[in-house]
Formats: sequence, structure tokens, C-alpha cells
Amino acid sequence: GQQLNQSPQSMFIQEGEDVSMNCTSSSIFNTWLWYKQDPGEGPVLLIALYKAGELTSNGRLTAQFGITRKDSFLNISASIPSDVGIYFCAGRRRDMRFGAGTRLTVKP
Amino acid sequence: SAVISQKPSRDICQRGTSLTIQCQVDSQVTMMFWYRQQPGQSLTLIATANQGSEATYESGFVIDKFPISRPNLTFSTLTVSNMSPEDSSIYLCSGEGTEKNTEAFFGQGTRLTVV
Repeated sequence: GQQLNQSPQSMFIQEGEDVSMNCTSSSIFNTWLWYKQDPGEGPVLLIALYKAGELTSNGRLTAQFGITRKDSFLNISASIPSDVGIYFCAGRRRDMRFGAGTRLTVKP
Repeated sequence: SAVISQKPSRDICQRGTSLTIQCQVDSQVTMMFWYRQQPGQSLTLIATANQGSEATYESGFVIDKFPISRPNLTFSTLTVSNMSPEDSSIYLCSGEGTEKNTEAFFGQGTRLTVV
């Protein structure tokens, strides 16, 4: 099925460090999305990717749509305490499927 | 970007009762969806709320348990019926359009505890 494997499950980093997380699937997706969820809130869209190979930035965030259309990564540069939260990848064909999430903790 | 208002934000309910969650979007959207999220877990799609017709349910979710209404392009409700403690979860609605760059956006969620 359209299972998304997101890794790592959690990360504990020092403020200022860079972060990288990724999602892979055995299925091809037409769109890859990255969301961030803060406690008690719904997910908020960070970056949307529509084309294989596409590399898109949003401030300190950079994401890429894998060439095979089966994977995507998200990088966060120079992390700050407010980056704390859970990051979800999502892939879309007819509907949208979510990865299990990466829980990010940033130590000041 | 569009905003979804979801209510209630949380509730504690007795088993055997039902709770209706409402989602109001501040602009028309083509698609609306309902998700369930167990604490610390990912989002699982319950159903697609179709305007003017019956919702489309994912495997493992049925209309008798999770009746959904969508009377227009800005509003939808999800009812969790005959609740049991296993229904304790966060329920999220989302909306999206069909044009590029109108990806799914979410309400803040309803945290449901069944006792």
C-alpha cells in the first residue's frame, strides 16, 4: 500500500545544529508535503513539492522531491528552540498519506 | 490562507454517548477530510466529506460509527457515535482546493477523552 517510512523517529539536537529527516515509500507520489505540528494544534504546511527533483526552500527549511518520486527529505539549518515540534511528511496520489512523524527537541 | 475553526477543542465524554465535532472554513474549499490522531502518532484518514452526498470512508471506518455531514463548501461535522474509551483520540478536519498551492490545511483538532 501507500506506506510512508519516516526517519528518524526523534532527534535531540543542540541549538544551532542542522537537522535532516526523510521519508521513503514503495509507492510513487505526485506531491510531497512537509508539515509541522505543535502541541495542541493541527499540522501546519511548511513546504509543498510537485515535481521530481524539485528543491524548495522556505527560510531555514529546504526540502527535495526525490528523483524516483518515492522519497523526500527536509533539512532545517541553524536550528532554534521554536523549531521544536513534530514534523510529518505526506505524500499524495489520489489522497494523502502521512509518515509517522519526527519529534524534534532543540536544547538551548 | 484559509482558516479552519474546529470545535470543541476538547471534551470528556461518557461511554455510550455521542459527540459531534464541527469545522467551519472561512472560505469555500473543494475537499474536506476528517482524520484521527492517537497521541504521539501519525494522522489516519477517516473519510472524505463530500458536499451534498455521503462521505467516502477509509477501510476500518464506517458511517454508523462516524456519520459525517457536509451541507455546503465551508462546513462539515463528524459525529463519534456510541463512544468507548478506544475512541479517545485527537480528531482533525482539513480542507483543500484543487488548484496548485492550495494544499491541505488543518483545524486545531479536537482532543476527545472517553471515560
